[in-house]
Amino acid sequence: DAGVIQSPRHEVTEMGQEVTLRCKPISGHDYLFWYRQTMMRGLELLIYFNNNVPIDDSGMPEDRFSAKMPNASFSTLKIQPSEPRDSAVYFCASSNRLVIGYTFGSGTRLTVV
Amino acid sequence: RKEVEQDPGPFNVPEGATVAFNCTYSNSASQSFFWYRQDCRKEPKLLMSVYSSGNEDGRFTAQLNRASQYISLLIRDSKLSDSATYLCVFRGYQKVTFGTGTKLQVIP
Repeated sequence: DAGVIQSPRHEVTEMGQEVTLRCKPISGHDYLFWYRQTMMRGLELLIYFNNNVPIDDSGMPEDRFSAKMPNASFSTLKIQPSEPRDSAVYFCASSNRLVIGYTFGSGTRLTVV
Repeated sequence: RKEVEQDPGPFNVPEGATVAFNCTYSNSASQSFFWYRQDCRKEPKLLMSVYSSGNEDGRFTAQLNRASQYISLLIRDSKLSDSATYLCVFRGYQKVTFGTGTKLQVIP
């Protein structure tokens, strides 16, 4: 099992640019989560999907953030336009009801300059 | 009151020491409880689940106190490799909340 796969591992972009983060969950997992981690705020849930349907997006900071899950094996988190305060590590995680806990991807370290 | 409160530390302990962390939660509807471990610049990984009856995995013991709404993690005979940040996690109906983590540094 390859685990949860995220890309890119690192992203440096200029303020105002569009950023797209990608995630491939573990096969058979029907829950997918997007988290953001910063020193100040810790790990924050942005949005999660069940069977490709967004269930709770109350953690999405503002309209600049959007997430999609077009199929069971792929999800994207897009920031447009990006701002320096979006700099953080973004984690994707997946799970299902039969699994205890969540499996996280290695994260994308985003720096907006 | 915050949903989850966790002492950020750092806890600096010598090798071989016993160390304990607590994590309090405010949502009494929380159903499942976990401890995760996160190494520096790595993703969080599940350490263990927490049950009311308490559970043990080698040098690690986790406890849940529903009446006082907290969970605890006890590490005996600390190893250098235990140095990490420990996150408490609470799962309720369609909601999961992570603590901000307690940093542990085991010193030679």
